[in-house]
Amino acid sequence: NAGVTQTPKFQVLKTGQSMTLQCAQDMNHNSMYWYRQDPGMGLRLIYYSASEGTTDKGEVPNGYNVSRLNKREFSLRLESAAPSQTSVYFCASSEGMGFYEQYFGPGTRLTVT
Amino acid sequence: AQSVTQLGSHVSVSEGALVLLRCNYSSSVPPYLFWYVQYPNQGLQLLLKYTTGATLVKGINGFEAEFKKSETSFHLTKPSAHMSDAAEYFCAVSAYGGSQGNLIFGKGTKLSVKP
Repeated sequence: NAGVTQTPKFQVLKTGQSMTLQCAQDMNHNSMYWYRQDPGMGLRLIYYSASEGTTDKGEVPNGYNVSRLNKREFSLRLESAAPSQTSVYFCASSEGMGFYEQYFGPGTRLTVT
Repeated sequence: AQSVTQLGSHVSVSEGALVLLRCNYSSSVPPYLFWYVQYPNQGLQLLLKYTTGATLVKGINGFEAEFKKSETSFHLTKPSAHMSDAAEYFCAVSAYGGSQGNLIFGKGTKLSVKP
């Protein structure tokens, strides 16, 4: 039981390049999330998917797109990376929204030069 | 709108001393409250949560937190710190229902434990 997995673990991009961060969970959870973590800022929600087939914007969605590929997988795409997107990205999943515990992946450390 | 304030971005205690990490929240509906811990280079994991019922909540690794509605607080405590408690701790609030169902995280408190 791997929980939440993320690929890649590390990535360096040049400004303007694109990439997709992959996330998968094996807990049969309905809800999935993408966060970014920056020093002194805590975690900020980028996008979430309350259930398969739905996605919604979070606090900081600009510059990102998401796809809920199926119940297991939720990807995050940067179409044209900018230095301001240098961050650590976490995927999480939960049985549902609200009071359910969120389970986090190990993170992807992204640097945009 | 909900919000969370964690007082103190860094807290340092001696091994064996009391750990107290402060969290105050703002919520327009009865809140669900969480404490998560993040060890270096890892994702977050749940320490404990308050949904309804008993206001003193016990979590993993000897931590507990008390929900005080009158003070809008949910402070995290541990009677005796261990070196292994050194990590970053995040308080979060959620309000169930629609777009209010997400977690709002505080900015975090980094706990250092001195030998």
